[in-house]
Amino acid sequence: QVQLVQSGIEVKKPGSSVKVSCKASGGISSTYAINWVRQAPGQGLEWMGRIIPILDVANYAQRFQGRVTITADKSTSTAYMELSSLRSEDTAIYYCATDQGGSYSAYFDFWGQGTLVTVSS
Amino acid sequence: EIVLTQSPDFQSVTPKEKVTITCRASQNVGSSLHWYQQKPDQSPKLLIKYAYQSISGVPSRFSGSGSGTDFTLTVNSLEAEDAATYYCHQSSSLPVTFGQGTRLEIK
Repeated sequence: QVQLVQSGIEVKKPGSSVKVSCKASGGISSTYAINWVRQAPGQGLEWMGRIIPILDVANYAQRFQGRVTITADKSTSTAYMELSSLRSEDTAIYYCATDQGGSYSAYFDFWGQGTLVTVSS
Repeated sequence: EIVLTQSPDFQSVTPKEKVTITCRASQNVGSSLHWYQQKPDQSPKLLIKYAYQSISGVPSRFSGSGSGTDFTLTVNSLEAEDAATYYCHQSSSLPVTFGQGTRLEIK
């Protein structure tokens, strides 16, 4: 069974950056992708981007382009999402989720437990 | 970007009732439409993949239908544990997008 374990709660100042990790374990395929999805308090789900670790190819949602960087370390099966120039509106729970679509996106079959990022002065 | 619009936004239902949630896409997504359930303080959970395909471990009272731009999630004989927010999600093209969510309250 695939498990995604994310790093812990973060509290950041406006203008700073945050880097959240997501470690995968279990029977995951070689062509899996890791997606990052965020959820602001009381709001819906918003996709930020994805990476295919075996290809080291990342795609980003337009609205986060230039502010988000998604990377992966194949040796440790860990993906990272770094968001810069933080503002209060970035306060949210950040989830990682796998899809097995390879170069094509697919359904998100496994999800991490979520990482709360609070941006406050 | 493909916009997914769910209806209703909120529904209050009694146990054993049948519930239908719809998801309309602004463009044709084929069958690349998936459904998730999210309970308070939990991560989303995959319920249905590719419009109608069932997921191992998900109760059979959950079913999906549709293709193209119009999709439906049906919950037969609702149970108290089904109180949650339900989201549709399209993976037809990047950026993938989600519906705004439908909150189900059990009376």
